[in-house]
Amino acid sequence: GENVEQHPSTLSVQEGDSAVIKCTYSDSASNYFPWYKQELGKRPQLIIDIRSNVGEKKDQRIAVTLNKTAKHFSLHITETQPEDSAVYFCAASMFGNQFYFGTGTSLTVIP
Amino acid sequence: DGGITQSPKYLFRKEGQNVTLSCEQNLNHDAMYWYRQDPGQGLRLIYYSQIVNDFQKGDIAEGYSVSREKKESFPLTVTSAQKNPTAFYLCASTRDRMNTEAFFGQGTRLTVV
Repeated sequence: GENVEQHPSTLSVQEGDSAVIKCTYSDSASNYFPWYKQELGKRPQLIIDIRSNVGEKKDQRIAVTLNKTAKHFSLHITETQPEDSAVYFCAASMFGNQFYFGTGTSLTVIP
Repeated sequence: DGGITQSPKYLFRKEGQNVTLSCEQNLNHDAMYWYRQDPGQGLRLIYYSQIVNDFQKGDIAEGYSVSREKKESFPLTVTSAQKNPTAFYLCASTRDRMNTEAFFGQGTRLTVV
């Protein structure tokens, strides 16, 4: 089955700096890569996703890049704000299959 | 108000007892999932169902059971065979099998006492 690894497990940045979280996956058949944000005590919510036919996707301060050859994808958050503090999960999925999640990254943005 | 609802939010169980966690969605989603969340281990799939009256085991199905008699409902039973049931349980749904956004419930924290 698919194996998703996520790094780092914790990340602290100063407000206004950028944050990068990286994930690798093992199954080349995976074709959908979402990122979820889970604030303390709340449910995970999708913040951005990318499909295997696209190399990069942006949504305001958030971007995701995908390297299919190397089987890794990354989340980039620019101009970080305190409200970006949360746990972020990456995931990989194939058509008709379940999502395989990474172990999560706890991001702290220091004001 | 559309969404996915889990109940209860907190649940306490005595050792040796079965307990059922509720998950209901009014999004008209075909697929539903149960995940277990433990510190440092991310979300691990217990069971999933892509259609009524059908479900598949995930990576950690031992000690759990599910049913999918209605499209809207996907209850999870934690049986006494689950050796370490204390955890945070999340239910999710997706529109279909086409790899779309998963919507999560607010979770149930189960504690064995």
